Amino acid sequence: QKEVEQDPGPLSVPEGAIVSLNCTYSNSAFQYFMWYRQYSRKGPELLMYTYSSGNKEDGRFTAQVDKSSKYISLFIRDSQPSDSATYLCAMSPLGGAQKLVFGQGTRLTINP
Amino acid sequence: EPEVTQTPSHQVTQMGQEVILRCVPISNHLYFYWYRQILGQKVEFLVSFYNNEISEKSEIFDDQFSVERPDGSNFTLKIRSTKLEDSAMYFCALGGVAPTYEQYFGPGTRLTVT
Repeated sequence: QKEVEQDPGPLSVPEGAIVSLNCTYSNSAFQYFMWYRQYSRKGPELLMYTYSSGNKEDGRFTAQVDKSSKYISLFIRDSQPSDSATYLCAMSPLGGAQKLVFGQGTRLTINP
Repeated sequence: EPEVTQTPSHQVTQMGQEVILRCVPISNHLYFYWYRQILGQKVEFLVSFYNNEISEKSEIFDDQFSVERPDGSNFTLKIRSTKLEDSAMYFCALGGVAPTYEQYFGPGTRLTVT
């Protein structure tokens, strides 16, 4: 079983739709969960960061972590064409100089 | 959010040649990381560097790879004898500082080995 699994998509939705992106993981030691946005041939850009379980909201973005199910989600409300990108989930077991383990990334297209 | 620049943006080299990829953090940081992303694949951890020492490295980071901070500001990744399979995007990341431990990535260097 892969440590982090993420449906690569592609996912295509109309502008204004609510988008749900998900990752599952197998390592129960993961404590820190991040979502990155990556445009083609660019560096990952940190969108959301969550520690342990719970929800976090930032503008149109909401991150959820369910540690009991080993499942994390990113919701995008009122999606815009500029949200079209690849979304990467990443997680690490502890703070400090800990490696991030990434999912495959989900390619998202928002159609005007 | 910390700013990171990486040079060069694109490097083409022949198999067997040595390459040095550079990361320049705009502000002071304690933790540095290198990741790579082969085209179409996931981002993979290579090495973390703290207090001028390697704190963790992956199986990918074999004897062909080395990292250092030669002048206290630049952070470099050296590949001694490049292979075709080293072709990838290489990302430097900073951060991992309490209490949030967020990591911020640079724009990357695209390495093409021919």
